[in-house]
Amino acid sequence: EVQLVQSGAEVKKPGESLRISCKGSGYRFTSYWIGWVRQMPGKGLEWMGIVYPGDSDTRYSPSFEGLVTISADKSISTAYLQWNSLKASDTAMYYCARRGGVGTPKYDAFDIWGQGTMVTVSS
Amino acid sequence: DFQMTQSPSTLSASVGDRVTITCRASQSIGSWLAWYQQKAGKAPKLLIYKASTLDSGVPSRFSGSGSGTEFTLTISSLQPDDFATYYCQQYNSYSVTFGGGTKVEIK
Repeated sequence: EVQLVQSGAEVKKPGESLRISCKGSGYRFTSYWIGWVRQMPGKGLEWMGIVYPGDSDTRYSPSFEGLVTISADKSISTAYLQWNSLKASDTAMYYCARRGGVGTPKYDAFDIWGQGTMVTVSS
Repeated sequence: DFQMTQSPSTLSASVGDRVTITCRASQSIGSWLAWYQQKAGKAPKLLIYKASTLDSGVPSRFSGSGSGTEFTLTISSLQPDDFATYYCQQYNSYSVTFGGGTKVEIK
């Protein structure tokens, strides 16, 4: 079964660092882009950025560039989303999602989603 | 900035109704548009890609159409399982944009 499994919910204080993870299984992890999407409480979906685990090529939304770091470790089929200094406004659900296969009609869609990681930042 | 504008933001409908949601792109995107369904507390689920192709397992009451800047998602006969929020999404030059979402509520 193709799936993405994310790490568990986190509760952190402002200023703390955090890395959440997204582990792929059931497919060739290095051949598909993995994106990260933020959903603040009661709000819509916001694209944060994307990484290609095969060569670690990474692209960011201008809204999130410099605020987070996206990376991948292909040896363990895992993508990461990292903050160096959290703010209360980072409180949200974060999803990873697999982009469709290169050269396929699904290439510009996200066909597999993780279950989400809830991050709560509060003093 | 590239924008995707969805309408309406909320829609009240009854079981059996035909429902249409519209998504407009601020510039032409060909047919590279996807639709997702998100139920409360769950991750989004891909329904349609390339504007009109149903993903595997998606009921045939869902359909998508459009190209260029105007797209629609239609549910031909609304079922109880369809009450959810729907999002459109485009992918343009390594930049992804989601529409603001349409919540389909029970009338």
